[in-house]
Amino acid sequence: SYVLTQPPSVSVAPGQTARITCGGNNIGSKSVHWYQQKPGQAPVLVVYDDSDRPSGIPERFSGSNSGNTATLTISRVEAGDEADYYCQVWDSSSDHSLWVFGGGTKLTVL
Amino acid sequence: EVQLVESGGGLVKPGGSLRLSCAASGFTFSSYSMNWVRQAPGKGLEWVSSISSSSSYIYYADSVKGRFTISRDNAKNSLYLQMNSLRAEDTAVYYCARVLRNGMDVWGQGTTVTVSS
Repeated sequence: SYVLTQPPSVSVAPGQTARITCGGNNIGSKSVHWYQQKPGQAPVLVVYDDSDRPSGIPERFSGSNSGNTATLTISRVEAGDEADYYCQVWDSSSDHSLWVFGGGTKLTVL
Repeated sequence: EVQLVESGGGLVKPGGSLRLSCAASGFTFSSYSMNWVRQAPGKGLEWVSSISSSSSYIYYADSVKGRFTISRDNAKNSLYLQMNSLRAEDTAVYYCARVLRNGMDVWGQGTTVTVSS
């Protein structure tokens, strides 16, 4: 089955740019979705289809996807951005796990 | 307001059964595929099951295949997950989520299932 690999943690100072990667075999050929999850809360979709933002998500959140790596970029990081972030793809090549999540990255704002 | 509200979680013994429900409001439920996703304590997100808008297509993760059954009642704007032969490793918060372009754009607040003797 398809595997998505994320770094366990990323740290960034307020006002700086955070980049969270999501690695997968030829992930550039798939649509990648990103979720933010704060402690005790449900996940929230922050980027879909590689780089689109749902309404209500700040422009500071952006995404890109090419080759074997997708990236969620958070510009001008704020304390409120501290959360776990998950990437997700839909893998039609397998009937074992269609909706595949990465292991998650904990973003710490220093 | 678009909303999903799960219910039905609780404490159950290994081998027991539980039925989760998800009530949808604020959108045309019958037009969307729906997913169940779970999260074990301190762990990441795991997709559990999916059902298409008209129930024509149903999929399960290998970890629950043969034990869980997903269903929906579009007349009642409700999604269900029947969980049988529960195991300790099924302990998790279970979320229902609306599918949009193979992502999930609306999530419920989750319901907690604890499998323990």
